[in-house]
This record gives sequence, C-alpha cells and structure tokens, in this order.
Amino acid sequence: QKEVEQNSGPLSVPEGAIASLNCTYSDRGSQSFFWYRQYSGKSPELIMFIYSNGDKEDGRFTAQLNKASQYVSLLIRDSQPSDSATYLCAVRRANFGNEKLTFGTGTRLTIIP
Amino acid sequence: DTGVSQDPRHKITKRGQNVTFRCDPISEHNRLYWYRQTLGQGPEFLTYFQNEAQLEKSRLLSDRFSAERPKGSFSTLEIQRTEQGDSAMYLCASSAGMVAGVGKNIQYFGAGTRLSVL
Repeated sequence: QKEVEQNSGPLSVPEGAIASLNCTYSDRGSQSFFWYRQYSGKSPELIMFIYSNGDKEDGRFTAQLNKASQYVSLLIRDSQPSDSATYLCAVRRANFGNEKLTFGTGTRLTIIP
Repeated sequence: DTGVSQDPRHKITKRGQNVTFRCDPISEHNRLYWYRQTLGQGPEFLTYFQNEAQLEKSRLLSDRFSAERPKGSFSTLEIQRTEQGDSAMYLCASSAGMVAGVGKNIQYFGAGTRLSVL
C-alpha cells in the first residue's frame, strides 16, 4: 500500500463546475496535509494546507480533512481553464523534527472550456 | 524574497560522469530539502538539512549521491558515476521550520534541475 494515494486521472471537468480531488494516506501519525499544483514541466506550487479536521476555505479552493478516515480532499469551485494542472497531495508526519513531505502521484485535472 | 533558486535548469550528461547541482534557498529559511521527481510520479524525498546539519537521508540516496550545505546557506547535490536511472527532475525546497509556526512551516520549491543521462 502506498503511503499517499491519489487517482491519477485524468479528471475532466467543464469550465465553471466544481472539481473534486481526493487523497488517502496510510500513516495515522500524519499531522499536516498539503495540496500543491504543478503545471507541466514546472515545480510544485502550494495551493492549500490543512492540519485540523474539517474544512478550510481560501477563495475558490476548499480543503477537507477527515483524520479518522485518513482522507483529505480539495474542491475547486468555478473551475477555470487555468486550473488545468496536476494536483499533488502531500502529507507531513511530524510537526517537529523531520518535516519531509510524502507525496502522492498526483491527479491530472483538465478543465474543458 | 527572490524564492528558491536552482542551477543549472537543465543538465545533459553521459553515463559515468559526475554532476553537481546547486540550490539557493529563501534567505531566512534554515531548512533545505532535496527531492527527486520522475515522469508521472510525485516528488520523492532524498535528504534535508537544518542549517548546515544533514539530518536525514532517504534509502533512495545511494552512495553515489552526496549533499552538502557547508555554511547553512546554499546546498549542493552531487551524483557520481551517473546512471540512466538517475534521469529525473531534482527539486530543492526550503522552509522556515517550526519556529515560524505550524501554519507558516511551508516548503517552497525551486524550478528544479532536469537531469538527462545518455
């Protein structure tokens, strides 16, 4: 079992609709959770982070965390063509000490105009 | 704040040659990370530094790989006797660490160095 699992996609969503990206993780000791966006050939760019159960909203983006189910998701409202990218879910086990990120393989999202 | 800088952006080398990459972190960040990313995969952790101390190395980091951060500022990653399997994007990230607070301990990535081993 991979430590962080994501559906690789591609996920196609019409422009203006809601895109829903999901991620599960295996390490119950994971403390913090991150969503990075990566355009083809570019480096990862942080979109959202969350470390408490529940929802966290930032503009068109909402991150949802359920530690009991070991599940984290990212919702993108009013999807735009510029949202087309690969979305990487990353988890961090420790809040102190080793703060390495463990990434999933990413979900490729395509917004259809 | 100029962001994380990596050099070179691209490196083509022949199998068996040595290569060295450089990373300059965001100036006030004391933590520096190296990751490797191959096509269709997420970044994989290689090693990280707190100031000049290398605190952890992944099993992925074979004896041919060495990383340094001599003065706690920039870092270098050297690969000796390169193999075709070393072809990947090498990403550097930096963060302020937990002293900045949980919500601010974010890793920011550089543009990466793409290595092609022929």
